[in-house]
Amino acid sequence: NAGVTQTPKFQVLKTGQSMTLQCAQDMNHNSMYWYRQDPGMGLRLIYYSASEGTTDKGEVPNGYNVSRLNKREFSLRLESAAPSQTSVYFCASSEYDGTGELFFGEGSRLTVL
Amino acid sequence: GENVEQHPSTLSVQEGDSAVIKCTYSDSASNYFPWYKQELGKRPQLIIDIRSNVGEKKDQRIAVTLNKTAKHFSLHITETQPEDSAVYFCAASRPGNTPLVFGKGTRLSVIA
Repeated sequence: NAGVTQTPKFQVLKTGQSMTLQCAQDMNHNSMYWYRQDPGMGLRLIYYSASEGTTDKGEVPNGYNVSRLNKREFSLRLESAAPSQTSVYFCASSEYDGTGELFFGEGSRLTVL
Repeated sequence: GENVEQHPSTLSVQEGDSAVIKCTYSDSASNYFPWYKQELGKRPQLIIDIRSNVGEKKDQRIAVTLNKTAKHFSLHITETQPEDSAVYFCAASRPGNTPLVFGKGTRLSVIA
């Protein structure tokens, strides 16, 4: 019972490099989310996908792009990484919309030098 | 949009004492208020939630209260234990395809 799986768990990038964080859920959930967590800032929403085929910006979308590849997978791309994007990234899913339990992945720790 | 304020940011209690964490929200249309617990190095996990048609909900040592008029809700942990030490996040959302908005978190330390 994997739940929400995200890769990689750790990544170090140099400023200007690009990378994609992958996320997959096996619970047949409709909604998927990408959050970033920084000390003292809580969980801030980057992008979300309320259903397959739709994506919307969250609170802090600048510097990121997303793709809802299918119902299971939701990827986050950093086109040109910046030190301000050093953070822990969490993917999450929920059955429907924001009024149900969020299931989080284990997190991906990204460092941009 | 919704704004969720959470206090305090840190809280230390003696084992066996109670802990209370408070949150306020801005959007009167919000109707779902969950609480998540995040242990060190782990993912956040739902511990309890409440919907706007209920004023209080309990689950063993944990309870949540909601005051819709004042737009605030609180988490109460009784008989705290060392394993309650974690960061706790409150959140709020409204109906429809709008995602949860989280508070900034409270780091609870239970001292044995």
